[in-house]
Amino acid sequence: DAKTTQPTSMDCAEGRAANLPCNHSTISGNEYVYWYRQIHSQGPQYIIHGLKNNETNEMASLIITEDRKSSTLILPHATLRDTAVYYCIVGQGGKLIFGQGTELSVKP
Amino acid sequence: SQTIHQWPATLVQPVGSPLSLECTVEGTSNPNLYWYRQAAGRGLQLLFYSVGIGQISSEVPQNLSASRPQDRQFILSSKKLLLSDSGFYLCAWSGTVSGNTIYFGEGSWLTVV
Repeated sequence: DAKTTQPTSMDCAEGRAANLPCNHSTISGNEYVYWYRQIHSQGPQYIIHGLKNNETNEMASLIITEDRKSSTLILPHATLRDTAVYYCIVGQGGKLIFGQGTELSVKP
Repeated sequence: SQTIHQWPATLVQPVGSPLSLECTVEGTSNPNLYWYRQAAGRGLQLLFYSVGIGQISSEVPQNLSASRPQDRQFILSSKKLLLSDSGFYLCAWSGTVSGNTIYFGEGSWLTVV
């Protein structure tokens, strides 16, 4: 079973920030938080991952709470092309267990 | 840079026929390799993973098998397909060069009729 909980779906207005939450209350000390997204009929695309500190790359920012029991993926300026299913996964690389993810719809 | 390719991209096979999906990784050596399946409207399920040539671990009981004849080649097979084998199959790799982050191929759509 997946070790994360995410909302089933979210909407976001184009140009606004999209904040996708994830709960992972049973995360262990050496497990990372990974985010992937999947556009229909394509393979999942890696977005970002982190252990304790907040992370930022050209695609997104990852905010991890101090107790590491939850995190938020932030897409700073969502575009229509960001419409996808977003998966939050905890693990140590290697085998990752995907849950159902959050279906993000970016609307004009 | 590292690339992963899998083929064929789509196929339609009759029930009881064999299956062979192939996946290759370029630009790295000794990767960990994975096969995932995604049924329509559902999440990804890990089927097999491999840490080296000839080393295959099965995650779920099923009608499929996997083989790794070469370091960067991973094959998913079945002797006799079932209707329930239909789905989207994804090959993936990870390794020290990727910081153990998993990267996925383009996927293969299998429809068993």
